[in-house]
Amino acid sequence: DTAVSQTPKYLVTQMGNDKSIKCEQNLGHDTMYWYKQDSKKFLKIMFSYNNKELIINETVPNRFSPKSPDKAHLNLHINSLELGDSAVYFCASSHRLGSGNTIYFGEGSWLTVV
Amino acid sequence: GQQLNQSPQSMFIQEGEDVSMNCTSSSIFNTWLWYKQDPGEGPVLLIALYKAGELTSNGRLTAQFGITRKDSFLNISASIPSDVGIYFCAGPSGAGSYQLTFGKGTKLSVIP
Repeated sequence: DTAVSQTPKYLVTQMGNDKSIKCEQNLGHDTMYWYKQDSKKFLKIMFSYNNKELIINETVPNRFSPKSPDKAHLNLHINSLELGDSAVYFCASSHRLGSGNTIYFGEGSWLTVV
Repeated sequence: GQQLNQSPQSMFIQEGEDVSMNCTSSSIFNTWLWYKQDPGEGPVLLIALYKAGELTSNGRLTAQFGITRKDSFLNISASIPSDVGIYFCAGPSGAGSYQLTFGKGTKLSVIP
């Protein structure tokens, strides 16, 4: 069974559309994340939720809105998509970092905005 | 915020050769993590280091947590074609240590 699963894996959409990426983890972790990987492969955190509560919100446009219905799910909704939103979006989860636990990534969602 | 400087940016090596890459930081990290990303996949944890000076192996991979807690290296011995990918160092940063900061990655190519 996949520990951190996200859907869809590939998404091609037109500018201006609204789209969502879903993520689920079955590891029993209490913290979930969204990372963005740009064309240069740089991984940058976008959001982090701990027990359904937003704890990290990096400088991300308001068009990006995460939603955590429960500890095992963290979805990412993107409004009014722009060309620059094209990237790979990784969901991840962990117990609290720095306490001997590490972060586990999903396989990524490749978003292409045309 | 904290930044990790990872080098080299890319490497081309012959199959069978040993590989070394490193990561440095201007500030102290309490944990160093090494991840590998295969093409089309998400990063997968290779080795986690929790104590300064710690040397840990995982098969042909060896990683060390620098004494100063500001650096770490990853060695791969006797490289094989499936070692191809991008290797990232990472460490917890930010308030509450809920955030991982990543290096920019070392892209490894292995020539058979």
